[in-house]
Amino acid sequence: NAGVTQTPKFRILKIGQSMTLQCTQDMNHNYMYWYRQDPGMGLKLIYYSVGAGITDKGEVPNGYNVSRSTTEDFPLRLELAAPSQTSVYFCAGRGYSNQPQHFGDGTRLSIL
Amino acid sequence: GENVEQHPSTLSVQEGDSAVIKCTYSDSASNYFPWYKQELGKGPQLIIDIRSNVGEKKDQRIAVTLNKTAKHFSLHITETQPEDSAVYFCAASIGGGGNKLTFGTGTQLKVEL
Repeated sequence: NAGVTQTPKFRILKIGQSMTLQCTQDMNHNYMYWYRQDPGMGLKLIYYSVGAGITDKGEVPNGYNVSRSTTEDFPLRLELAAPSQTSVYFCAGRGYSNQPQHFGDGTRLSIL
Repeated sequence: GENVEQHPSTLSVQEGDSAVIKCTYSDSASNYFPWYKQELGKGPQLIIDIRSNVGEKKDQRIAVTLNKTAKHFSLHITETQPEDSAVYFCAASIGGGGNKLTFGTGTQLKVEL
């Protein structure tokens, strides 16, 4: 099993551009999460999903959108990139029954 | 919502010494407390976790203690080794509602030879 896979690993965007950060998992995780990590800060929850077709906002959802059409995939969409969205983005997944969250290796995004 | 504070932000120890990282949480309903280790360029990796019905948990050189009354929990690493150098994050969550984690701001641990 590859676990939680994120692509791309690095990306530079111009202000106003859009892009989709991809996250896929092969561990039958029911729950999936998107976090952003800014320097010197902990991870902040952007959006999460408790199953296919169900998504909900986290602590910092503004400027982002998500979808969960399949159990395996949970893409994060930035519609109008802003410098404040420069960050490292992590996707995580977990199963039922009190299982812990497992993280991907992140996407480092710079918006100039 | 939940707020998690973590101290210290940086910690330097000599190889073989012990390291202790402390976290406090605000919501008494929190019942799950994981610790993650993050190496440079990698995602956080779970190293140990504890639930509110347990006061202490050990796994080889790593232990976590929980004081529900005081709402704080701590990570203890004994006999530190250079490969323990990393950023460590504590987190807390309330069961249900997606089991969302609230993270502390991290501790940069450096183990010096």
